[in-house]
Amino acid sequence: QKEVEQDPGPLSVPEGAIVSLNCTYSNSAFQYFMWYRQYSRKGPELLMYTYSSGNKEDGRFTAQVDKSSKYISLFIRDSQPSDSATYLCAMRNQAGTALIFGKGTTLSVSS
Amino acid sequence: ETGVTQSPTHLIKTRGQQVTLRCSSQSGHNTVSWYQQALGQGPQFIFQYYREEENGRGNFPPRFSGLQFPNYSSELNVNALELDDSALYLCASRPVAGGHETQYFGPGTRLLVL
Repeated sequence: QKEVEQDPGPLSVPEGAIVSLNCTYSNSAFQYFMWYRQYSRKGPELLMYTYSSGNKEDGRFTAQVDKSSKYISLFIRDSQPSDSATYLCAMRNQAGTALIFGKGTTLSVSS
Repeated sequence: ETGVTQSPTHLIKTRGQQVTLRCSSQSGHNTVSWYQQALGQGPQFIFQYYREEENGRGNFPPRFSGLQFPNYSSELNVNALELDDSALYLCASRPVAGGHETQYFGPGTRLLVL
């Protein structure tokens, strides 16, 4: 079993839709949870990060962490064609230097 | 743009050759990490350098090695290239005061091994 599981999609939605992206993980020591956006032929760009459990909101983006279920989510409201990209979840434990990434979910938003 | 630059952007090598990839960190960043991203996969941690010393390594063989220079630029060297080394190689730098979550990635070097 991989440490971080993420459905690769692809996920296709119309403009304006609410998008839900999810990851599950197996290592209960993970404390820091991140979402990165990666456009084609670009490096990952940090969107959101959360420490431990809870919610965090930034504009149209909301990140949720449920440590009891080992499940994290990213919600995108009012999705735009410019949101079309691959979304990577990443996490690490308190002492670790490495970020552990999911495989990424490819999202396509059509106008 | 993150301020992290990488060179070259693309590279083609043959099996058995050696390659050096370069990264220039964002100003003020003293920690750099290297990741390998195979097609359709998430990035995998290779190693991290802090103050010119390796201080963390992933599950990669010794033929993957690195250097960090006093100006915080960095190199990734791969010897005896194998076909499976074909991937996007990403470097990420972190500011002195930042946590591990505030890593800024460069655009990557795409390596093809034939």
